Amino acid sequence: GIQVEQSPPDLILQEGANSTLRCNFSDSVNNLQWFHQNPWGQLINLFYIPSGTKQNGRLSATTVATERYSLLYISSSQTTDSGVYFCAVNVGGTSYGKLTFGQGTILTVHP
Amino acid sequence: DGGITQSPKYLFRKEGQNVTLSCEQNLNHDAMYWYRQDPGQGLRLIYYSQIVNDFQKGDIAEGYSVSREKKESFPLTVTSAQKNPTAFYLCASSIVGSPLSEAFFGQGTRLTVV
Repeated sequence: GIQVEQSPPDLILQEGANSTLRCNFSDSVNNLQWFHQNPWGQLINLFYIPSGTKQNGRLSATTVATERYSLLYISSSQTTDSGVYFCAVNVGGTSYGKLTFGQGTILTVHP
Repeated sequence: DGGITQSPKYLFRKEGQNVTLSCEQNLNHDAMYWYRQDPGQGLRLIYYSQIVNDFQKGDIAEGYSVSREKKESFPLTVTSAQKNPTAFYLCASSIVGSPLSEAFFGQGTRLTVV
């Protein structure tokens, strides 16, 4: 099956810093989602981005499908950005919620 | 508000007992999914269903069972055959057949075997 690798596994920042999280995948994908898992375990949808670039406030994401990677940018980080960031991909069929997840990047933002 | 509701939030089970986790959605999505998350890990797919009265095994279905009698509901039973059931369980739903669809998740149920 498809392999999804996220880097770095851990990231520690001071408030106000910028960061880039990476997601590599081993095969062509139908869709790609980025999630933020908060301390209570809730998975919050950040981006649905099978290709191209999207922006939402301080967050943006870019997926280069032909090179099989996606990047999540966080600018001017805040303590509330702390948590685990997951990349997940779907590789086929009609169930687009059938996702393969990476291991996640644990982000800690200090005040 | 539209969304996915999982209950209970916390569940304790004695070894050898079956337990059922509830998942209800009012998003009118056809497809529903169950994922398992172990500490420090990503999510892994247990079962999924694209239509009422039909479901398929995911990557780690052994020791679990599901039913899909209503479009809104997709309960997961953790049976005594599941050797290591302590985990965080997340339910999700999505539209079927559209590449523009994205999956949405409930708040999860944390199961502990005591």
